[in-house]
Amino acid sequence: KAGVTQTPRYLIKTRGQQVTLSCSPISGHRSVSWYQQTPGQGLQFLFEYFSETQRNKGNFPGRFSGRQFSNSRSEMNVSTLELGDSALYLCASVPLAGVGNEQFFGPGTRLTVL
Amino acid sequence: SQQGEEDPQALSIQEGENATMNCSYKTSINNLQWYRQNSGRGLVHLILIRSNEREKHSGRLRVTLDTSKKSSSLLITASRAADTASYFCATASALNTGTASKLTFGTGTRLQVTL
Repeated sequence: KAGVTQTPRYLIKTRGQQVTLSCSPISGHRSVSWYQQTPGQGLQFLFEYFSETQRNKGNFPGRFSGRQFSNSRSEMNVSTLELGDSALYLCASVPLAGVGNEQFFGPGTRLTVL
Repeated sequence: SQQGEEDPQALSIQEGENATMNCSYKTSINNLQWYRQNSGRGLVHLILIRSNEREKHSGRLRVTLDTSKKSSSLLITASRAADTASYFCATASALNTGTASKLTFGTGTRLQVTL
């Protein structure tokens, strides 16, 4: 099976712009979660989608949003980018519904905001 | 914010030695997982231990969990240079019933294994 794929792998944007990141989970996985990783805050949960519905959301401003499509692919969007949004954005897919299963992570998208 | 802390923040050992990393967390958990990350890449799942388990082994990995102290440790035996990476603990809260995937990560331990 192919692993979790994320596109693009690297992205450079300027303040005020918006960005869309994409994640394709492992085939058959229906749950996708997004995490932000920064040197200062570490790994933080952004949101989780299951069957096209957002099931949980982390403590991030409304500039961060996401969605999931019927084929389980997910996108996250960040509007009005700020310097502090520079981070590695990781997506993870889970094979089974239920609390705390092993998650399979993609390679991440490295976003740099100038 | 991070739920947990890991110590040490950095660990440097020689090949063949054992490496021990500790993780503390704050709330009741359903399970605790350990992940590995190489140089800012994606995370790789290593092992999962449930709240009713006290110890688990997988190859050269040994994980312990003490829910009364809200702490866990990861032991890597006979370390190799290829084990050089950052290691993170992650907890799934016992309150997240029905929510599959939210993990709260610790601060991580950077392990350097030298020849």
